[in-house]
Amino acid sequence: QVTLEEPGPTLVKPTQTLTLTCTFSGSSLSTSGVAVGWVRQPPGKALEWLALVYWDQDRRYNPSLKNRLVITEDTPRSQVVLTLTNMHPVDTATYYCVHASRLNWGLYYFDYWGQGTPVTVSS
Amino acid sequence: DIVLTQTPRSLSVTPGEAASISCKSSQSLLHTDGKTYLHWYLQKPGQSPQPLIFETSSRFSGVPDRFSGSGSGMDFTLKISRVEAEDVGTYYCMQGMRLQHTFGQGTRLDFK
Repeated sequence: QVTLEEPGPTLVKPTQTLTLTCTFSGSSLSTSGVAVGWVRQPPGKALEWLALVYWDQDRRYNPSLKNRLVITEDTPRSQVVLTLTNMHPVDTATYYCVHASRLNWGLYYFDYWGQGTPVTVSS
Repeated sequence: DIVLTQTPRSLSVTPGEAASISCKSSQSLLHTDGKTYLHWYLQKPGQSPQPLIFETSSRFSGVPDRFSGSGSGMDFTLKISRVEAEDVGTYYCMQGMRLQHTFGQGTRLDFK
């Protein structure tokens, strides 16, 4: 069983940088076929994938946010960090940490989700 | 980018009735291995999304067999044979071709 934990609620001001750390257990990024990343959901809206870091240190980003996103990993500590720069009010959302497992080369699905953490962007 | 379009956007059913949700992709999700990589999630009210179906038709561990997935290429369907109270929530399809993931807009299921 994999568990993922996000930090508590966050308030950031417009133009600031958001940094979120996910701590997970029951899996490891040193294991072939594992990835960990982030999905967000604005209030009342659909899910939006943000980024994933893979077991082989490859990382992929949502093209619409790629210039603002960085995802890094600390494999020994089982942590993944998301950084989103130049925050806007439209970035207000619940941010979920997700674990992904490989189904085939280059093909993953999100099999475990954290509880999510609310992020509010407001001055 | 691959766009997933779900219909209907909302669905009201009577407990025990069947329900069906469609997900259409803007590009084929057929892989060279012959499989199609379309997945379904359920987000119950106030909860995180939970996996239901992966690879079009395989149920995630613990998912009741009243849930079934089908489809090929660009057209996919999630069916619930007899809707129960615990099935209320929003259903999302998702694809992950070429290491880029996208979700459908969601379909909200509730009771009449």
